[in-house]
Formats: sequence, C-alpha cells, structure tokens
Amino acid sequence: GAGVSQTPSNKVTEKGKYVELRCDPISGHTALYWYRQSLGQGPEFLIYFQGTGAADDSGLPNDRFFAVRPEGSVSTLKIQRTERGDSAVYLCASSPGGARGSGHEQFFGPGTRLTVL
Amino acid sequence: DAKTTQPNSMESNEEEPVHLPCNHSTISGTDYIHWYRQLPSQGPEYVIHGLTSNVNNRMASLAIAEDRKSSTLILHRATLRDAAVYYCILRGTSYGKLTFGQGTILTVHP
Repeated sequence: GAGVSQTPSNKVTEKGKYVELRCDPISGHTALYWYRQSLGQGPEFLIYFQGTGAADDSGLPNDRFFAVRPEGSVSTLKIQRTERGDSAVYLCASSPGGARGSGHEQFFGPGTRLTVL
Repeated sequence: DAKTTQPNSMESNEEEPVHLPCNHSTISGTDYIHWYRQLPSQGPEYVIHGLTSNVNNRMASLAIAEDRKSSTLILHRATLRDAAVYYCILRGTSYGKLTFGQGTILTVHP
C-alpha cells in the first residue's frame, strides 16, 4: 500500500521567504508527526497531531513555524521569514495513533530537503 | 523521556550476527524501548520495540536486560542493506514524539 508521501522532495528558497511543506499520511492514520533533521544529527521533534488538533507543539522552535491538519489527513508545515538556519530535511511520520498500543510504530516519509540561501 | 547511550559506530561483516548495545540506566518502569534505523537518504524505519521481555520479529531481535538498564538489538545475519544509523529510543507511551539521539552508525563489509 501507499506509504507516507511528502512534497516537494526538494525546496530551495531565499532568506526571508515563506515556504509550505506538505505531508500525506497513510490513509486512516490519526496521528501525524513532523520532525526536522540537520546534517549528521538525529531527527528532532517539531509537532504531533492527533486528528485535526495539535496534541504537542513543544518542538516548534519559534513562532515562524506553524503546522495545520484541517481535515485530519493531509498536513502542511509552514515556515515564515525563512532563515539559513532553517535548512534541514523535514520529515513527516504517521501512525494509527490512539492510546491502545497501536501507535508504537511510526511510518516515516522520505522527507523534504529545504535549503535556504 | 529518559536518555539512552549508544556507541557512535560499529562494523560488521556480511552474513555475521551484529549486536548493537544501548544503555538506559535511568529508564522508568513504564518506558518502552524502541529501535529505529535510517538508511542513507531515507526517513527512519521502525525495527522493533519491547517493554520487559525479549522480542523477535522478521527484522531483528531485542534482548532486554533483567534490570532493564540496557538492551541489545540483534541482527542475526547482517546484509549490506543493513548498513544504516540505528537509534535506540525510550518512550513512555505508545503515542507521542520520538526523541532521537545520535544513534550508532553500522557499517557492513562484504
């Protein structure tokens, strides 16, 4: 079946511009996660959605970062006034979610490589 | 979530077993032990998880120490495709964020 997809695969932008990164989770997965990964580092948590609501946004670095999931499926990560330090691979993951033990496995997409010049 | 400690790198030969260690001395009684791996230029991939008992699946085995302060991921016969960064992660629930460390870079020699 289809896995988690992310678009675009690569995004190059200029400092100060606005970008949107899209994530299509596995159909039926209620939990959706965003992470970002800098070169040579492990992924760093950004935000977690359970359905349409953000259950944990403690990883968002500042108010330039925002994410939505209006219908409980596709999610968009939005970055305003991009800075060179935002350059990283942005990873999305989904899982069946819930509190019954079915969410142990997170399924990751291939990521979007964001480069801010 | 409690912290884990892993070696920076390990090497193995193809078709030999690999034992990847992880120390988690501050683990709490409800923390699950998860292992993920990340192949080059790909997103992380779930490998296995456990709570107290040893676990086996098609990819690997997870051996958990009796005091739960350490665990070992076992790849029974390494292949070139197993070359990846392996992350040992503790998580208090079955949902919510994963906290990745630096992981162990596994190199498999033909």
